[in-house]
Amino acid sequence: AQRVTQPEKLLSVFKGAPVELKCNYSYSGSPELFWYVQYSRQRLQLLLRHISRESIKGFTADLNKGETSFHLKKPFAQEEDSAMYYCALRRYGGSQGNLIFGKGTKLSVKP
Amino acid sequence: GAGVSQSPSNKVTEKGKDVELRCDPISGHTALYWYRQRLGQGLEFLIYFQGNSAPDKSGLPSDRFSAERTGESVSTLTIQRTQQEDSAVYLCASSLGRGRGVAGELFFGEGSRLTVL
Repeated sequence: AQRVTQPEKLLSVFKGAPVELKCNYSYSGSPELFWYVQYSRQRLQLLLRHISRESIKGFTADLNKGETSFHLKKPFAQEEDSAMYYCALRRYGGSQGNLIFGKGTKLSVKP
Repeated sequence: GAGVSQSPSNKVTEKGKDVELRCDPISGHTALYWYRQRLGQGLEFLIYFQGNSAPDKSGLPSDRFSAERTGESVSTLTIQRTQQEDSAVYLCASSLGRGRGVAGELFFGEGSRLTVL
């Protein structure tokens, strides 16, 4: 079965420290992976997707098929990065396709 | 509208009553999703509509839950005989389709917060 695991419910770091939010997945096909973010009192929104290989707000994520991971990283955390982060896997098969989310990690960046 | 619109934003109901939650997707988006977010929990997939294909109902937790979508527009999620464990934020999202890349990005509404007393 497809699954997305975010082992940390809460991650707390100081401003300027590196941050890594972990995400592991299980999927037998070719996955498409995303990170979504929800800032306080805002809608859930896309942060980045692995196929774009982009850096958004200083965040990057590399798909490691050997370790089935898609960890989100930022070298220097900022207070405005405090938010809820969700890793998501999009599966394809037959006539269906849906986005499966992990349980989320709350990132708290302290001054 | 410019984004996904959900109504009501808040709903308080008594156990046993039926509720309807509405979602207006972004115009032109063929895919529509419903998710449930319980307090302190992640996003739980409920149902997915894609164009005229049969919906993926695999996430609906019981037969008290049902959803409809008219063409590629409004969707309604109905919960019958509500229970306290149904209390959650119900999120709707839409996307251009199920293709890879840009078309796969989901745009979320602000959610409907349901409280069952």
